Amino acid sequence: DGGITQSPKYLFRKEGQNVTLSCEQNLNHDAMYWYRQDPGQGLRLIYYSQIVNDFQKGDIAEGYSVSREKKESFPLTVTSAQKNPTAFYLCASSIIGAGGQPQHFGDGTRLSIL
Amino acid sequence: AQTVTQSQPEMSVQEAETVTLSCTYDTSESDYYLFWYKQPPSRQMILVIRQEAYKQQNATENRFSVNFQKAAKSFSLKISDSQLGDAAMYFCAYRMNRDDKIIFGKGTRLHILP
Repeated sequence: DGGITQSPKYLFRKEGQNVTLSCEQNLNHDAMYWYRQDPGQGLRLIYYSQIVNDFQKGDIAEGYSVSREKKESFPLTVTSAQKNPTAFYLCASSIIGAGGQPQHFGDGTRLSIL
Repeated sequence: AQTVTQSQPEMSVQEAETVTLSCTYDTSESDYYLFWYKQPPSRQMILVIRQEAYKQQNATENRFSVNFQKAAKSFSLKISDSQLGDAAMYFCAYRMNRDDKIIFGKGTRLHILP
């Protein structure tokens, strides 16, 4: 079955440490997205990518970095510059272009500070 | 900038009753799409319903229907015959036709009372 796989499900970060969240999709979607979800805040866009080797900042990109070396993969690194990383992170993908395609989501990764 | 507002942080409904979740949005675009997503306690994001702005007819999916009022920029979700499995956070979302980003509201948590 096609879908989006996020790993790990739970992740713990120590002070000063960078951590990487994995997101892989086999839906053949061109666009991929990373969201951060905090209680009462809804989903906030961190980064998105519409094509391999290209990506754009979302609304809250500071302290995060991404890469898009393959169409199927869009890993997110939470750097030590992100001072409040504890949150639920969701990866999504969609077909690009006109047509108002919905986004398909992974099951998320919960990141906590040790 | 486009915004999506869900004015009801929490709602409760008796099982088998009908409930309506409100959503308003702000945009100067004429061509766009609207969505309702459901996020149950498992945290998975599930597409409930999709509406094209150019269509006057309200979208329906089984027990779920929308009341789309384009002039008022209102997009409410009606859930009929509420079931215990409908308990979740519901997010309203907006997507311009010429953009691949989706903007989410902050969500409404729906409780189903047995």
